[in-house]
Amino acid sequence: KAGVTQTPRYLIKTRGQQVTLSCSPISGHRSVSWYQQTPGQGLQFLFEYFSETQRNKGNFPGRFSGRQFSNSRSEMNVSTLELGDSALYLCASSWKQGAREQFFGPGTRLTVL
Amino acid sequence: GIQVEQSPPDLILQEGANSTLRCNFSDSVNNLQWFHQNPWGQLINLFYIPSGTKQNGRLSATTVATERYSLLYISSSQTTDSGVYFCAVATSGTYKYIFGTGTRLKVLA
Repeated sequence: KAGVTQTPRYLIKTRGQQVTLSCSPISGHRSVSWYQQTPGQGLQFLFEYFSETQRNKGNFPGRFSGRQFSNSRSEMNVSTLELGDSALYLCASSWKQGAREQFFGPGTRLTVL
Repeated sequence: GIQVEQSPPDLILQEGANSTLRCNFSDSVNNLQWFHQNPWGQLINLFYIPSGTKQNGRLSATTVATERYSLLYISSSQTTDSGVYFCAVATSGTYKYIFGTGTRLKVLA
């Protein structure tokens, strides 16, 4: 069974731009969660989607948004990029809503210049 | 919110040595996972262990939920074990994992 895939793997943007990251969960998994990892703040939960609905949200500004499609694939969008948004963005999938056992993708490394 | 502390923050071992990594959490949890983050950033699942003991090859883990801690044991360490080990917990009803700050392990040949 294929693992969680994320595209693109690397991205360079400039301040003020917006970016969209994509995540395809393990086949059969219906929950997708997003995390941000930075050297200063560590790994922080962004949000979780299940059955195309956002179920949980972390403490991030409204510039961070996401959505989930009927095939469980998810996208995350960051608008008006700031230098501090430079991070590794990790997506995780699980078969059921809520934490349970999560499986992570390889991540998208975003650099904002 | 719940606090997750991992110790030690850094660990250097000679190949073949054994080690114990600890994860303390400040509230009751009903989900707990251990991960190994490789140099490319990928989080590799080691154990899903909200309670009890599990073993997988040279690795084993124990979670004592009533005392709010979990231990990860690495025996006969190898250079490929190097990386950062994270503990992540989720409390009942929150459905989101809170990660510890990690233990950075370096195994020397």
